[in-house]
Amino acid sequence: AQKVTQAQTEISVVEKEDVTLDCVYETRDTTYYLFWYKQPPSGELVFLIRRNSFDEQNEISGRYSWNFQKSTSSFNFTITASQVVDSAVYFCAPVVNTGFQKLVFGTGTRLLVSP
Amino acid sequence: NAGVMQNPRHLVRRRGQEARLRCSPMKGHSHVYWYRQLPEEGLKFMVYLQKENIIDESGMPKERFSAEFPKEGPSILRIQQVVRGDSAAYFCASSQGLAGETSETQYFGPGTRLLVL
Repeated sequence: AQKVTQAQTEISVVEKEDVTLDCVYETRDTTYYLFWYKQPPSGELVFLIRRNSFDEQNEISGRYSWNFQKSTSSFNFTITASQVVDSAVYFCAPVVNTGFQKLVFGTGTRLLVSP
Repeated sequence: NAGVMQNPRHLVRRRGQEARLRCSPMKGHSHVYWYRQLPEEGLKFMVYLQKENIIDESGMPKERFSAEFPKEGPSILRIQQVVRGDSAAYFCASSQGLAGETSETQYFGPGTRLLVL
């Protein structure tokens, strides 16, 4: 079965520290997509990024950056100079191709950023 | 704001009652997905619908749960004879449904928190 592992259950940092959230996935597909979502304390899910397996270039968006390594099936997420507002649960979600695209969520990593 | 709308945001039911959860997709989106999040867990896929069609319901319990997405109006997730184990957050997501698109971004609603007493 295809699955995703976010081994870090909870990470605590102090504001302005950099933090990396790990994501390792298993897939039988040769081409696929990967997503990251953020769930702040208010509970909604916020889309952060969508990547396809064709492109292994790192991506940077402001303080956020993603490192995709197809050879190790990892799609890690780094927040630079973390802020209190970054406190949330972060989910990595590869897409399983079962005739349609279904998101498979990991258990998430809870990030706590203290002032 | 033309985001995904869900209502109610919070729903309390007693065991044996029915729960009806509504989801209005983003404007221009024709695909709807329902996910369930149990406490301290990630989201689990339940069902995928297009207008008037259930495309995949492999993640939905066989009994008591049903979903629809009528031609007009919101998508409805219905849980009959609720039990305490149904207490969870239920999220709806929508995507555009573009022909030939191999993977689309799913945008999520704020969720409905169901509490069964």
